[in-house]
Amino acid sequence: NAGVTQTPKFQVLKTGQSMTLQCAQDMNHEYMSWYRQDPGMGLRLIHYSVGAGITDQGEVPNGYNVSRSTTEDFPLRLLSAAPSQTSVYFCASKVGLGDTEAFFGQGTRLTVV
Amino acid sequence: AQRVTQPEKLLSVFKGAPVELKCNYSYSGSPELFWYVQYSRQRLQLLLRHISRESIKGFTADLNKGETSFHLKKPFAQEEDSAMYYCALRDTGGFKTIFGAGTRLFVKA
Repeated sequence: NAGVTQTPKFQVLKTGQSMTLQCAQDMNHEYMSWYRQDPGMGLRLIHYSVGAGITDQGEVPNGYNVSRSTTEDFPLRLLSAAPSQTSVYFCASKVGLGDTEAFFGQGTRLTVV
Repeated sequence: AQRVTQPEKLLSVFKGAPVELKCNYSYSGSPELFWYVQYSRQRLQLLLRHISRESIKGFTADLNKGETSFHLKKPFAQEEDSAMYYCALRDTGGFKTIFGAGTRLFVKA
């Protein structure tokens, strides 16, 4: 049982480049979300999805896109990377809205230079 | 506005000493509160939730609605408790979980 899997673990981008952070879960969870973790600011919600085909914005959505074509996958796309997007990104999933994000991925450390 | 405040960025205690990690929240309704822990090089994991009123790894947390607090306590800290601790609040609809900035606990031998 892999739980929540994120790839890559580390990434360095140049300003203006685009990339996709992958997130997959094998627990058949309906709810998935992306957070960024910055020093002194905790985890901030970027985007979330309550099921396949349904996504919505979180607290800090600008500069990021998401899609949810399957229950298992919830990729996060950076359209044009900026140094302000240097952060650690976490994907999380939970069974449904009645629960909290009990399952997190290992994180992706992204540096934009 | 919904907010979770953890006033201490770093808390350092000696092994065997009591520890209290503070958490205050701002929420207009009836909150659901949680504590998460992140050990070094490990993923974030749920430690406990207030509705369960449980004790996990010797930690407890009581919701005080009058003081809008949800402090995490342990009577005797252990070295393996050294980690980053996040207090979190889930909104009524369940769509969003709001995290505090985190407190790094360092337990000295």
